[in-house]
Amino acid sequence: DTAVSQTPKYLVTQMGNDKSIKCEQNLGHDTMYWYKQDSKKFLKIMFSYNNKELIINETVPNRFSPKSPDKAHLNLHINSLELGDSAVYFCASSQGGGAGDTQYFGPGTRLTVL
Amino acid sequence: QQQVKQSPQSLIVQKGGISIINCAYENTAFDYFPWYQQFPGKGPALLIAIRPDVSEKKEGRFTISFNKSAKQFSLHIMDSQPGDSATYFCASGTSNDYKLSFGAGTTVTVRA
Repeated sequence: DTAVSQTPKYLVTQMGNDKSIKCEQNLGHDTMYWYKQDSKKFLKIMFSYNNKELIINETVPNRFSPKSPDKAHLNLHINSLELGDSAVYFCASSQGGGAGDTQYFGPGTRLTVL
Repeated sequence: QQQVKQSPQSLIVQKGGISIINCAYENTAFDYFPWYQQFPGKGPALLIAIRPDVSEKKEGRFTISFNKSAKQFSLHIMDSQPGDSATYFCASGTSNDYKLSFGAGTTVTVRA
């Protein structure tokens, strides 16, 4: 019973391509997040959705577009991929909206842009 | 602008020793201070968390010490075991905000 799942686990692609990463949570949580972890393991929030509404949009290039079709899903689409986009992308979810709620992370998607 | 500063970047400890990781925050509105543990190839997972109404919280071999006046908190891993080898992240946030600010992480290696 995977709580937060992501597909694919690995993604290797060429510069300039468009790709998507999918995330699903079966915890019944209201809030979902996308994080980027760079090669130095620094973890930075990109987006957060609460009940399908965008509530956090950090300084992220507009090539990145999240989409939440329903509370259980949050997908990340990336246009015109660049070398600097290579990282591990984590999806997470939490019950409510406060930072005091435990965030449950998915296994990550390692994106490599060649 | 990093709101949470974490040190050291890495540490090596012998089995049975004590690992200590320190974090400092700037925003006095923060009222939630979790520590996340991440094993290679996995996502971070909540290890232990503290709120500023207490100065210490202990769960098994893991203890958080919190100093509100100094705006610092630390994680102590007692009797460190090889299975504790992982990257540890401190974080800070406010209960009425969705955002957690993470420290840069500390890679702990426990030698048998």
